[in-house]
Amino acid sequence: DIVMTQTPLSLSVTPGQPASISCKSSQSLLYSDGKTYLYWYLQKPGQPPQLLIYEVSNRFSGVPDRFSGSGSGTDFTLKISRVEAEDVGVYYCMQSIQVPWTFGQGTKVETK
Amino acid sequence: QVQLVQSGAEVKKPGASVKVSCKASGYTFTSYDINWVRQATGQGLEWMGWMNPNSGNTGYAQKFQGRVTMTRNTSISTAYMELSSLTSEDTAVYYCVRGVWGQGTTVTVSS
Repeated sequence: DIVMTQTPLSLSVTPGQPASISCKSSQSLLYSDGKTYLYWYLQKPGQPPQLLIYEVSNRFSGVPDRFSGSGSGTDFTLKISRVEAEDVGVYYCMQSIQVPWTFGQGTKVETK
Repeated sequence: QVQLVQSGAEVKKPGASVKVSCKASGYTFTSYDINWVRQATGQGLEWMGWMNPNSGNTGYAQKFQGRVTMTRNTSISTAYMELSSLTSEDTAVYYCVRGVWGQGTTVTVSS
């Protein structure tokens, strides 16, 4: 199975300040079709995860442009340019290049 | 818009089975795989398997092989996940996923 490792596991951010989460996979997530199957989700308290970013850097419909994803191969980053109060929750990276899908441990983001 | 609506919470005794439904709307049900993911309280996310609603083909995580069955009823755009031989370790919220996630179904296993 592909192991997804997120850092840090928790983050306390002053509203208006940036935040960054790293995700590393144990194998390349680049598929032969040229796509990289790395996704970012945010799970707010008491809710199911919601898709933020698909295929490394594509924002899902309705996701604010303060969220951005980057990376390639095995190293990926989610950045929030200016954290807002509504961004609190647990962020997960996920790979779907190979079954089983696997998720990072989650990064809990809270505001100061 | 794409929406997945799951069945309600279940309480089961150890050794029993549970069947969770996931009704899809807002897209052509048979065009996209549906995956199932579970989350124990305060824990991370665990992928259980996938189903192709068109062919009925499935693929299960090794951990659940022999205990999980994923099926569908295309006439009502609904997918099902049945898990048998339940133990307390199966207490979790179960989600169906197709890009978006269903709202989740809490399954509690308790004697």
